[in-house]
Order: sequence, then C-alpha cells, then structure tokens
Amino acid sequence: KNQVEQSPQSLIILEGKNCTLQCNYTVSPFSNLRWYKQDTGRGPVSLTIMTFSENTKSNGRYTATLDADTKQSSLHITASQLSDSASYICVVPDGTGTASKLTFGTGTRLQVTL
Amino acid sequence: EAQVTQNPRYLITVTGKKLTVTCSQNMNHEYMSWYRQDPGLGLRQIYYSMNVEVTDKGDVPEGYKVSRKEKRNFPLILESPSPNQTSLYFCASSFPQSGELFFGEGSRLTVL
Repeated sequence: KNQVEQSPQSLIILEGKNCTLQCNYTVSPFSNLRWYKQDTGRGPVSLTIMTFSENTKSNGRYTATLDADTKQSSLHITASQLSDSASYICVVPDGTGTASKLTFGTGTRLQVTL
Repeated sequence: EAQVTQNPRYLITVTGKKLTVTCSQNMNHEYMSWYRQDPGLGLRQIYYSMNVEVTDKGDVPEGYKVSRKEKRNFPLILESPSPNQTSLYFCASSFPQSGELFFGEGSRLTVL
C-alpha cells in the first residue's frame, strides 16, 4: 500500500529561524511529489512540485529537495515569518501522476512565534 | 478570480437529517473530488469525478453520495448523517493530468 509519512508532526520555532520538514514515501512507481500549505481554517494551496528529475527547487523562502533513491523529500523554510504558521502537507500521486489517485501525508503543523 | 466555492462553510445538524454541501469551480476543470479531514488522519478521499456523469468511490465513500450533472458543480450529499461524519470537508478540482488540486475553503460539519 502506498504511504506518505511526514515528520515532525508539529514544530514550534522563533520568527527568523530556519526549519526543515521531512516527507518519506513508498509510492511506486514515482512520478512527482507536491507540497501544500494549509493555513488554519483554509483549504490547502500548492507550494511546489518535485518531479523525478529534480533535486532542488525554490519558491521564495521555501526550498524543496527530492532524493528519489531514498524516497525522501524535504521542505526547508528560511528566515521564518509569522505567516508561515500553517500545516504543510506532502502529497504523492500513483505512477500515473493523475489527480485521482493521491496519497496524502498527515502533515506537519508549524507554529512560528515571536 | 479562479476559485472553488463551497457552501455552507459551517453547519450543525442532527442525526438523520439529509443535507447537501455544494461545490462549484470556475476553472473549467474536468476533475473534481471531495475529501474529509480529521485530526491525525489527514485528507481522505470520499468520491471523485473525472468528468460530467462520471463518478467513482474514493477511500471512504460510505454514507455519502455525489452527482456530476454539470462540469462546474459537484455536490456532496449526506442522506442520513451520523455523528461519525462530523468532520471538515474539502472540495477540490484539477485538470486530471496536472495533479495540482485547487481546494475550496472547507465546510465544517457537526452532526449531533
């Protein structure tokens, strides 16, 4: 069965600090991996997508990495801001890459404090 | 503005009283889907639709119905709600091969 596991479950950091969120997956064959940000009380919004051939991709202060050999991805947040407080969800489709067959991680809840 | 609109956003109802949660998207997406989100369990797919008149069960379809008569609308029907259907529900849409889901704002349902 396809699985996506995220760690840590929750994290509290001071504003301005960096943090790294982890995602391990067992989905095979692999096509891509997407990170979503979910603000409290809102729907998830896509941050970035990592395809098989990509190792690193940045979106502002967010940098995602992918190691297809170890089936791990990380999301690094640089110089955190209060607005980064949210849940971050890792999502991997089955080998077809289509939206209908997605495996969701349970998310990492990040809290950025003063 | 491109968006997925769900209604109602909040609802408290009683066991057995039929209810419908509406979902509408304005992005001409073929694919639409419903998820429920519960603490510690993440997002779980209820039903999905690849196009008009084409629907299929997700991972947790029991107690729910859907229909897709128009491309833009995908309502979720709870014929006889029970307390275990208390949850946060999300509708999402996408171009099927894109894989990027666009989510609605969520509907928080409480069944007493």
